[in-house]
Amino acid sequence: GAGVSQSPRYKVTKRGQDVALRCDPISGHVSLYWYRQALGQGPEFLTYFNYEAQQDKSGLPNDRFSAERPEGSISTLTIQRTEQRDSAMYRCASTLLNRGAEAFFGQGTRLTVV
Amino acid sequence: AQSVTQPDIHITVSEGASLELRCNYSYGATPYLFWYVQSPGQGLQLLLKYFSGDTLVQGIKGFEAEFKRSQSSFNLRKPSVHWSDAAEYFCAVGASVTTGNQFYFGTGTSLTVIP
Repeated sequence: GAGVSQSPRYKVTKRGQDVALRCDPISGHVSLYWYRQALGQGPEFLTYFNYEAQQDKSGLPNDRFSAERPEGSISTLTIQRTEQRDSAMYRCASTLLNRGAEAFFGQGTRLTVV
Repeated sequence: AQSVTQPDIHITVSEGASLELRCNYSYGATPYLFWYVQSPGQGLQLLLKYFSGDTLVQGIKGFEAEFKRSQSSFNLRKPSVHWSDAAEYFCAVGASVTTGNQFYFGTGTSLTVIP
């Protein structure tokens, strides 16, 4: 597609359930980022990939969070045993493999843990 | 440590008035600077970016920003605000060899435009 596509757009889950959030980057963009945006805050970095390799996962808050990008295209962010504090907008972005390249963001997945 | 500060949480301006949104950054290397806009229910849209060269950069929708290294600032401006400019605005600094390809965002400035 023309832009970064994220699915689902909205997800409501019960506490303790696992969720998987999907990101389909712009074709040809080899760098892919995951951000979390709490209400009233700016996006906070979680992790990023160049191709299929996870380059930095320092922003993942704990070991319940994981991400993969097995074929260097679509990525999945998985949250295990969700907690209410995980409720946020999860944003994916992609860029060319170029230091300083602008990031193109998807519309995000709004996760609500009840 | 890298960081971005947007001192104004919320700004209200009259339609037709000029606008300036402040952004200060802390960065160890030459910064790559961006302004994004987030309209209700929309994703983040890039308004403009600064990599190098002319310190006054023009963006979409009539916005411009000026990079001032001495002040570590990258303020966003618009001469005449339209009602459709009401949105959340985020300043971001991105990418260096030492920090990987992260983008650091400010907490945002919410803009209200009154008739």
